[in-house]
Amino acid sequence: GAVVSQHPSRVICKSGTSVKIECRSLDFQATTMFWYRQFPKQSLMLMATSNEGSKATYEQGVEKDKFLINHASLTLSTLTVTSAHPEDSSFYICSAREGAGNTGELFFGEGSRLTVL
Amino acid sequence: AQKITQTQPGMFVQEKEAVTLDCTYDTSDPSYGLFWYKQPSSGEMIFLIYQGSYDQQNATEGRYSLNFQKARKSANLVISASQLGDSAMYFCAFDLAGGYNKLIFGAGTRLAVHP
Repeated sequence: GAVVSQHPSRVICKSGTSVKIECRSLDFQATTMFWYRQFPKQSLMLMATSNEGSKATYEQGVEKDKFLINHASLTLSTLTVTSAHPEDSSFYICSAREGAGNTGELFFGEGSRLTVL
Repeated sequence: AQKITQTQPGMFVQEKEAVTLDCTYDTSDPSYGLFWYKQPSSGEMIFLIYQGSYDQQNATEGRYSLNFQKARKSANLVISASQLGDSAMYFCAFDLAGGYNKLIFGAGTRLAVHP
């Protein structure tokens, strides 16, 4: 089946640095990818919708200058957490859907756990 | 605005028994999709089952079935013959048709299967 891969799976960084997380669709083209954030013992919260070749659409309350999203190709979207701070520590998950229309399965990456010291 | 609610923070079930995880949603849109995902401690999101709002029959996938009651706006997940490996977080999710699978997740239910 279709696979979505995230890298890195875990990252630890110092406060003030920027961290880039990649989300790749390995065997299909994904026009649209989604980025979610999950704090410990909480649900997934949609951060933004990543559209290939255009600007991402951010959910209310998500700072677009803080969380930079680039979807430069049909198989790759990146999320960059700029000037990370400890409160940005979280589990970030991307997802992508194969094909068009609104049916069935949405594929998720394995997630990336960010710890900001 | 759409809303999805899971009222059970935690549930436990004896191995080999069935368990129902509750999910209700609120929308005025007639076309939508409902999903259930399993998230083990590793963090990956595992797709379990999907129900479209126009589907006439309740969705089933192996030991998973979705009790879809459209008038009540509920989409409960039934797991039959529970296994120890079913212990995980379970999330109900909702999207609007044409929303390009922009999923909105419920708060989740932690299921513990006891031997």
